[in-house]
Amino acid sequence: EAQVTQNPRYLITVTGKKLTVTCSQNMNHEYMSWYRQDPGLGLRQIYYSMNVEVTDKGDVPEGYKVSRKEKRNFPLILESPSPNQTSLYFCASSLYRGSLGYGYTFGSGTRLTVV
Amino acid sequence: KQEVTQIPAALSVPEGENLVLNCSFTDSAIYNLQWFRQDPGKGLTSLLLIQSSQREQTSGRLNASLDKSSGRSTLYIAASQPGDSATYLCAVRPSNAGGTSYGKLTFGQGTILTVHP
Repeated sequence: EAQVTQNPRYLITVTGKKLTVTCSQNMNHEYMSWYRQDPGLGLRQIYYSMNVEVTDKGDVPEGYKVSRKEKRNFPLILESPSPNQTSLYFCASSLYRGSLGYGYTFGSGTRLTVV
Repeated sequence: KQEVTQIPAALSVPEGENLVLNCSFTDSAIYNLQWFRQDPGKGLTSLLLIQSSQREQTSGRLNASLDKSSGRSTLYIAASQPGDSATYLCAVRPSNAGGTSYGKLTFGQGTILTVHP
């Protein structure tokens, strides 16, 4: 089944303890992206990647890191989590073929709580 | 900067009604527009994708239209059912000067739909 898989689904951690949220897609998509969703603020892009070794900041990149060493994986790293990073996180991916437009497929989300 | 607005913010209707959700965007240089459904605490499920060159897309009881020049899209749901209750999100993907896209989605705040029996 074509899908974007995020792990873990739920995570409670303490301030300052480094964590990684994994994201993997099996659709050979070039584009991958991370979003966070907060009440009243909607979905905001954290980082995105257009292909292997090509990443760039989105609207709210502070406090996050990403890497794209393989096409299928796009982990989100919080080096020193803080309570304001408590949120619902989504990974998404999309094909890109020149002028043809494709839609995004989203993962099921990771609910992160930082105490 | 692209801004996406969805109206209404919330909608409550009896089962069986036909309804329209609205999405407007400020920058008409879009690559495509995608409608999603989100159940509480869950992920986003893609409903319909409209390319910038298209006027509408249909899937079952859903029909989405796009008027790029006026910066508007509508999602039409026919014969609504309680199972349609969810938040509906509109997202636009911008095009760049070359007519391609860097892929960033800009989302509206969503319309919370409740369909009661």
